Amino acid sequence: EIVLTQSPATLSLSPGERVTLSCRASQTLSNSLAWYQQKPGQAPRLLIYDASNRAIGIPARFSGSGSGTDFTLTISSVEPEDFAVYYCQQRSNWPLTFGGGTKVEIK
Amino acid sequence: EVQLVESGGGLIQPGGSLRLSCAASGFTFSSYWMHWVRQVPGKGLVWVARINSDGSTTRNADSVKGRFTISRDNAKNTLYLQMNSLRAEDTAIYYCARNLRIGGYDVYYLDYWGQGIVVTVSS
Repeated sequence: EIVLTQSPATLSLSPGERVTLSCRASQTLSNSLAWYQQKPGQAPRLLIYDASNRAIGIPARFSGSGSGTDFTLTISSVEPEDFAVYYCQQRSNWPLTFGGGTKVEIK
Repeated sequence: EVQLVESGGGLIQPGGSLRLSCAASGFTFSSYWMHWVRQVPGKGLVWVARINSDGSTTRNADSVKGRFTISRDNAKNTLYLQMNSLRAEDTAIYYCARNLRIGGYDVYYLDYWGQGIVVTVSS
């Protein structure tokens, strides 16, 4: 099974700051990686698929990059509604696996 | 509007059985692969099972193989998860989720999720 390692575990920042989240895979994924956002008490929401494609309705401040084993989610200027937990997910091999998550919290 | 609504959760004793349902609306259910994903509160997401659009092929995570069965009724727009021989470690929030389709192709990401249903396995 492919293991996804997200870092850091927690990020503390202020609204308006730029944030970069990392996801590293135990095997090469090509570009087969997605990012999700989950707020407390809510289901996850798909943000980015195939490493760099924004899902329907996702604001342009969210962007994804990377290929192979190293991937990044960037929020260009964090809005108050962006404070949440972010997960990466690979579809390269079964089973589908998720990273452990990065919590983005208000400083 | 795409909606997925889970039901059937609750408190069950170890070794017991439970069937979760997920009622789908707002899209052509019979055209989409579907998944179950679970999450222990405060922990990460774990994929459980998937089923193709006509129900002919399924795949399970090793942790539930032989105990859980995913199925669907396209006439009723409903996805199911039959859970047998339940263990304490199956305690979680269970989400049903729709598989993303891009240009007519099934791409194994999850674009819509239900609100989740709690399953607690405890004596």
